Formats: sequence, structure tokens, C-alpha cells
Amino acid sequence: NAGVTQTPKFRILKIGQSMTLQCTQDMNHNYMYWYRQDPGMGLKLIYYSVGAGITDKGEVPNGYNVSRSTTEDFPLRLELAAPSQTSVYFCASSYGLDSYEQYFGPGTRLTVT
Amino acid sequence: AQSVAQPEDQVNVAEGNPLTVKCTYSVSGNPYLFWYVQYPNRGLQFLLKYITGDNLVKGSYGFEAEFNKSQTSFHLKKPSALVSDSALYFCAVRDPRSGNTGKLIFGQGTTLQVKP
Repeated sequence: NAGVTQTPKFRILKIGQSMTLQCTQDMNHNYMYWYRQDPGMGLKLIYYSVGAGITDKGEVPNGYNVSRSTTEDFPLRLELAAPSQTSVYFCASSYGLDSYEQYFGPGTRLTVT
Repeated sequence: AQSVAQPEDQVNVAEGNPLTVKCTYSVSGNPYLFWYVQYPNRGLQFLLKYITGDNLVKGSYGFEAEFNKSQTSFHLKKPSALVSDSALYFCAVRDPRSGNTGKLIFGQGTTLQVKP
């Protein structure tokens, strides 16, 4: 099992550009999550999904979009990148159904200049 | 409000000494509690969880955590620290308001520094 994989590992964007952060899990987990981690701020939930075709906003969804067309994939789309979106982005998944521990990918470090 | 607090930004301990990383929570109902570790430039790794049962939970890498309902705490412990345990540690609790979404509330993190 590869677990949760994320691409790219690093990316530099110019203000106003767009990009998609990819996330794939091979554990057949129903639940998937996107977080951002800023220094000293812990983790903030951006979007989450409880199954294919179902997504919902987390704590900080503005400027982002997601889709979940398959169980395995949960891409995060940044439209019109802003410096405030400079962060490290983590994707996570969990099985759910009283097994709520989340498994994290290695992260994508994004800089917007 | 539902919350998790890690009152120490950093914990310093000498190698071979016992370590404790503190976590307190405030949620309604029975808590589902978790500890994660993050090494530099890596994702978070699951260490252990408490859902029900024994108050002392054992996890990966020799870590354990003690659930204390009366003190609403879930402190992470290890009897003998290793230099390689130096990392950022996060406590998390399942958000009971979130129904069956599995959403977790994370603490701010505690940096553990183990000196040789």
C-alpha cells in the first residue's frame, strides 16, 4: 500500500495563477480531507468528503474548490492564487464508521509570490 | 465550544528520561482522542487513539497516553525518551458536532526536543 500520495511536493505560483493539488489513497477509505498548515497555527480544515460525489466546506474554504468523482482521488483546486494561500497542504483519509483516525499524505509546499 | 489545548509550545527532556506532552480537551459527550507526530518536512503520522475502554492506551514507537475523564486530559507519555523522538506532536479530538463526518479538531502542536 502506498497510503496517501500527494503531488506535487513543491510548487511556486504567481499571484492570479491557478493549480490543482492531487491526492490519491489506495486504502479504500470513504472519508478524505484537505488541510493547510501554517507555522504555529496547527491544521485548518479546508474541505472534506465522506464519499464519492459528496463534498463539504471546512473551516477555511474560500479560494479553494474540490471534487470527488472516485473513492481514491480528492483533488484540491486553487483559483486565482493569493499570497495568503502560501502554506503547506496536507491530504488525509480515514475509513470512518467508528475508525476515525486519519492517515496523512506527505504534503505539498506551496508558495504564492 | 469544542476545543483541544496543548498548553506547552515546547517540551525539553534529556535522552533516557520520561517524557510527557500535555493535552486537554473540551467537547460534549464521549471524546474520541488521538495523538499524531510530525517529523520535519513530513506528513502527520498516527500514534494512538482512545475511544473507549482502558484509560491507558498504548501506541507506536513505545508511546502511550492516559485518558483522564475528570481532568479532561489525554497526556502523551513515554518512559524513556530517544533523540529520535524529537518532533512536533499534535493532539486531536473528534468533533462531536460533525455527525458521521470524522472531522477532527487539532491542537496547536507541541515541539518535543530530546537532548543527548
